[in-house]
Amino acid sequence: DQQVKQNSPSLSVQEGRISILNCDYTNSMFDYFLWYKKYPAEGPTFLISISSIKDKNEDGRFTVFLNKSAKHLSLHIVPSQPGDSAVYFCAATTTGANSKLTFGKGITLSVRP
Amino acid sequence: GAGVSQSPRYKVAKRGQDVALRCDPISGHVSLFWYQQALGQGPEFLTYFQNEAQLDKSGLPSDRFFAERPEGSVSTLKIQRTQQEDSAVYLCASRGLGTGELFFGEGSRLTVL
Repeated sequence: DQQVKQNSPSLSVQEGRISILNCDYTNSMFDYFLWYKKYPAEGPTFLISISSIKDKNEDGRFTVFLNKSAKHLSLHIVPSQPGDSAVYFCAATTTGANSKLTFGKGITLSVRP
Repeated sequence: GAGVSQSPRYKVAKRGQDVALRCDPISGHVSLFWYQQALGQGPEFLTYFQNEAQLDKSGLPSDRFFAERPEGSVSTLKIQRTQQEDSAVYLCASRGLGTGELFFGEGSRLTVL
């Protein structure tokens, strides 16, 4: 049972345009959400996070939106750059010292020059 | 070191062989996680340590999988009598106190022939 779902396996956008990556979750106990970026042959690297007490968190070109009632979050990248081409994983957890991250399957983003 | 270090980066094993994968977390990080990432999937949780205590091993797929962290720093994931379905990238991650994000190593890619 996938508790974190990334239903679109891939996304292709033009350089300079907005990339919107979506993520849904089913576990209502999740209260902290993260996005990771992964290049081939490298480990995932942390990108941005959001707590359930917020509905938006912004860091430079990256913004994460959280809709708790819909159990949905999205990552916006604007403007998109070719270097953003990577696999993006959505992850969720419950806050606490022993909490593990539950990941989605990932979305492959390709930014065309 | 500056980041999470894993070795070997690549391991090819014949079916039935035992393998050992090493993780050296970020200095001072008390929490250490092991994840398994199959091709085209997101990372799946295997086990979690807080210092030397293994607090959660619910994700270990069988009793052929064993992890240890005897001195609360370096960890080893051991897989006995490897099977083809064990082929995956094994990711180690560590986390400091009071933070939510995990810092991942580059992973150990295991191929079982």
